[in-house]
Amino acid sequence: KNEVEQSPQNLTAQEGEFITINCSYSVGISALHWLQQHPGGGIVSLFMLSSGKKKHGRLIATINIQEKHSSLHITASHPRDSAVYICAVGIDMRFGAGTRLTVKP
Amino acid sequence: EAGVTQFPSHSVIEKGQTVTLRCDPISGHDNLYWYRRVMGKEIKFLLHFVKESKQDESGMPNNRFLAERTGGTYSTLKVQPAELEDSGVYFCASSHGGGYTFGSGTRLTVV
Repeated sequence: KNEVEQSPQNLTAQEGEFITINCSYSVGISALHWLQQHPGGGIVSLFMLSSGKKKHGRLIATINIQEKHSSLHITASHPRDSAVYICAVGIDMRFGAGTRLTVKP
Repeated sequence: EAGVTQFPSHSVIEKGQTVTLRCDPISGHDNLYWYRRVMGKEIKFLLHFVKESKQDESGMPNNRFLAERTGGTYSTLKVQPAELEDSGVYFCASSHGGGYTFGSGTRLTVV
């Protein structure tokens, strides 16, 4: 069993929908990361959080340390949000398998 | 501020050959990480440098992989001899004080 589990694996949404991607982990961590990987392959760090909630534009990330769970929300989704979203935990980053998001116009 | 730069972006080599990947972190970032994604699997941690020292190399798959970071600046990851299962995308990231910045990766194909 992977230390980091993401759900869903694949997600298709219509433009404008509210998106939620979940991440559960089984190890003790100091920080959790949400990353975005576009079809070209490059990885962008979206958030690093150790408690509570962070917001950047239409993206919101929350974490519950006690429950070892984090969520990434996208409000008013847009086709350009289509990418693979990856959860990673710890300083050296243990990665989830990623969630492939497709937003249709 | 320049980002994390990786060279080459693509490499195709024959089984048994040697390949060296390079990562130039953001200037001043003490922490440098190597990761790789092999086909169909999640990204895996390989190792972590703090300056020139290997902080954690628990993810290195075997002794065919050698990482160095002389002088605490750029890092190299050498695969010798390369095997078919080494094919994948190798990512480098650097951090200082928390935020991570990733390179674009090197796509390695071993044929």
